Amino acid sequence: LAKTTQPISMDSYEGQEVNITCSHNNIATNDYITWYQQFPSQGPRFIIQGYKTKVTNEVASLFIPADRKSSTLSLPRVSLSDTAVYYCLVGDSTGNQFYFGTGTSLTVIP
Amino acid sequence: GAVVSQHPSWVICKSGTSVKIECRSLDFQATTMFWYRQFPKQSLMLMATSNEGSKATYEQGVEKDKFLINHASLTLSTLTVTSAHPEDSSFYICSAGRQSNEQFFGPGTRLTVL
Repeated sequence: LAKTTQPISMDSYEGQEVNITCSHNNIATNDYITWYQQFPSQGPRFIIQGYKTKVTNEVASLFIPADRKSSTLSLPRVSLSDTAVYYCLVGDSTGNQFYFGTGTSLTVIP
Repeated sequence: GAVVSQHPSWVICKSGTSVKIECRSLDFQATTMFWYRQFPKQSLMLMATSNEGSKATYEQGVEKDKFLINHASLTLSTLTVTSAHPEDSSFYICSAGRQSNEQFFGPGTRLTVL
C-alpha cells in the first residue's frame, strides 16, 4: 500500500488560492488518488479524483506529475467555509486496497 | 446521487449494553461498505470491509466479536458494538462503494458510552 504524507496544517487568507500537496512515493501502477474534505463531526465529502496529469471540476483542481509520486489539490479563492480537514487517499482500482492519510487541517482567515 | 445515510446520528448508552448502527446507500447499490472509527483530531481508521452476503474482513487489531458487522443487502450494512465500554466512545463512519474505487461516506454516528 502506498502510504501518504501531508502537511498537518495550513493557514490561508480568504480569496487566496490554496495548494495542498500529498506525497505518495510508493504509489502503484493501478492506484488512483482521491481527495476528501471533512468538517467536524461529519463524514468526509468527495472532492476530486485523478490518475495522472490534471483533473478539474467545479470546486478544485488536482495536479499529478508524470512520476505520480505526489499530487496537489488546488482550491481557488478559498472562503471561510473551506476551513476543514483535507485527506488524500491512494487506492487501487478495486477499491479494496487503500490508504487514508493523516489529513491537512486548513484554516481560512478573514 | 450517491447518498449514504447513518442511523442514529448520535447515541448515548450505559457501559455493558450493545449498540447497533445502520448504514444505508439510498440511491445506489453498494457491493462493498466500509466501517471507520475516528477519534478527535485524528484521521479515519478503517475497522472493516463489508461485502454483501459474505463475512466482513476486519483490520488488524479490531475485535471481530466486539464489532459485529452484517451486510445483509446491497443497500444496508450494520455495525453492532457489543458490550460497549467507555473506551469504545468514538465517531463511527461508514462508506459505500458504488463502483471500483469510489467511496461515499455517511454523516457519521457519535457514540458515547457512560
